[in-house]
Amino acid sequence: AQSVTQLDSQVPVFEEAPVELRCNYSSSVSVYLFWYVQYPNQGLQLLLKYLSGSTLVKGINGFEAEFNKSQTSFHLRKPSVHISDTAEYFCAVSDEETSGSRLTFGEGTQLTVNP
Amino acid sequence: DVKVTQSSRYLVKRTGEKVFLECVQDMDHENMFWYRQDPGLGLRLIYFSYDVKMKEKGDIPEGYSVSREKKERFSLILESASTNQTSMYLCASRLDREGQPQHFGDGTRLSIL
Repeated sequence: AQSVTQLDSQVPVFEEAPVELRCNYSSSVSVYLFWYVQYPNQGLQLLLKYLSGSTLVKGINGFEAEFNKSQTSFHLRKPSVHISDTAEYFCAVSDEETSGSRLTFGEGTQLTVNP
Repeated sequence: DVKVTQSSRYLVKRTGEKVFLECVQDMDHENMFWYRQDPGLGLRLIYFSYDVKMKEKGDIPEGYSVSREKKERFSLILESASTNQTSMYLCASRLDREGQPQHFGDGTRLSIL
């Protein structure tokens, strides 16, 4: 069985500051990792994904994430945030055994960017 | 771009009613999913379908059923709606290949009075 822990439920930052949203996972097999963003009253939108290869993954809207196998982490970063980045962010994992069809989600991190 | 369309953004129903939530995707995806999202509980999988006429229970199937008669459409049915089923419902679809992500609709906010 796999699980995902998002270490911060809320992250307030000021505009143009850097941000890191933390995600740790546990799984006994190789995994695929995803970050999704949810703006108010909308569905989830894929930000980026890690399947294999380079551990640094770049996504949309200037976000990137780094896969660290030894620490079982997949933290999301952005060097300079905008007001429009205010949203809820979800980390998710699937594994090779299920061919990735089912996702296990973290409980989400609310990012609030203040002026 | 993948388009996953949920038939209603907001829906209000009464206790005991039979409620249908519809989801349509336009990318010929094999896999489809229904989740509910509640504050503090994250996303919880209700049912999913690997392909047409196939369905699997997720983590919280009680009080729900599903129908997948055509590949593009996946319906969630609340047989007898109750107030504890008031929630945001999200549909997703996915190409059945290793590592493929799920693509989500905009959600249906359902209120049961």
